[in-house]
Amino acid sequence: AQSVDQPDAHVTLYEGASLELRCSYSYSAAPYLFWYVQYPGQSLQFLLKYITGDAVVKGTKGFEAEFRKSNSSFNLKKSPAHWSDSAKYFCALEGWGGADRLTFGKGTQLIIQP
Amino acid sequence: DPKIIQKPKYLVAVTGSEKILICEQYLGHNAMYWYRQSAKKPLEFMFSYSYQKLMDNQTASSRFQPQSSKKNHLDLQITALKPDDSATYFCASSYRGREQYFGPGTRLTVL
Repeated sequence: AQSVDQPDAHVTLYEGASLELRCSYSYSAAPYLFWYVQYPGQSLQFLLKYITGDAVVKGTKGFEAEFRKSNSSFNLKKSPAHWSDSAKYFCALEGWGGADRLTFGKGTQLIIQP
Repeated sequence: DPKIIQKPKYLVAVTGSEKILICEQYLGHNAMYWYRQSAKKPLEFMFSYSYQKLMDNQTASSRFQPQSSKKNHLDLQITALKPDDSATYFCASSYRGREQYFGPGTRLTVL
C-alpha cells in the first residue's frame, strides 16, 4: 500500500518569509514524488517532481523540494514567499507499476499575509 | 487555448439519474485519468487508460464507467446517481509516464 501524509492542514506566513510545506510518504520501493498547487476555484497545476538523481529538485514559480530517503519526506520550499503563493498545495506519490496512479495527500492550505 | 477540455463545468442532477462527463485532451498524450475531489475525501484516483485501454480501476462501484471513443477522449458515465457522488471530477492526461496535467474539472451536484 502507498500513502502520503501532509501533517499541516493550514500554514500561515507573512510575505517575505521562507515557507516549507511538509510531506511524508509510505511506499515499499523508490517512489516518484510530485507537488501540485490548486488556486481557489481552479484545477491542479504541476509544480515539480522527483524521479531519481539530485535530492533537490526545482520547479515552476520559484519552488523547490528536497527528497530525503532517510525519513521518507519530500518537503516543498520557497524563499521569499509572496502573497500570490496563497493556495492549496498537494503532495502526490506514484508507485512503480501502478499504471501512473497518483496518491495524494490531503493538502496544505497556505495563506501568505501581506 | 485550453489543452484539456471538460464539459460541462457545472452539472446538477437528480438522485437516480444518469450523467456523462466529457473529457478531451489536445496534448498528444497517450494516458488519461479520472480523479474525484470532494469535501469529505482528498483527491481520489478513479481510473487510468493508456492507448484507450483500461490500465487501473480504483472505483469499487460499477455505476462509474469510463468510455474512450477516441484516443484523446475519456468520458465518465455515472448511473444511478447518489448525493454522495457530489464532487468535482477532474480529468488528467500524461505522456509515457511523465507528470499528469489536469483539466478544469466538472463540479457535480446530486440532489
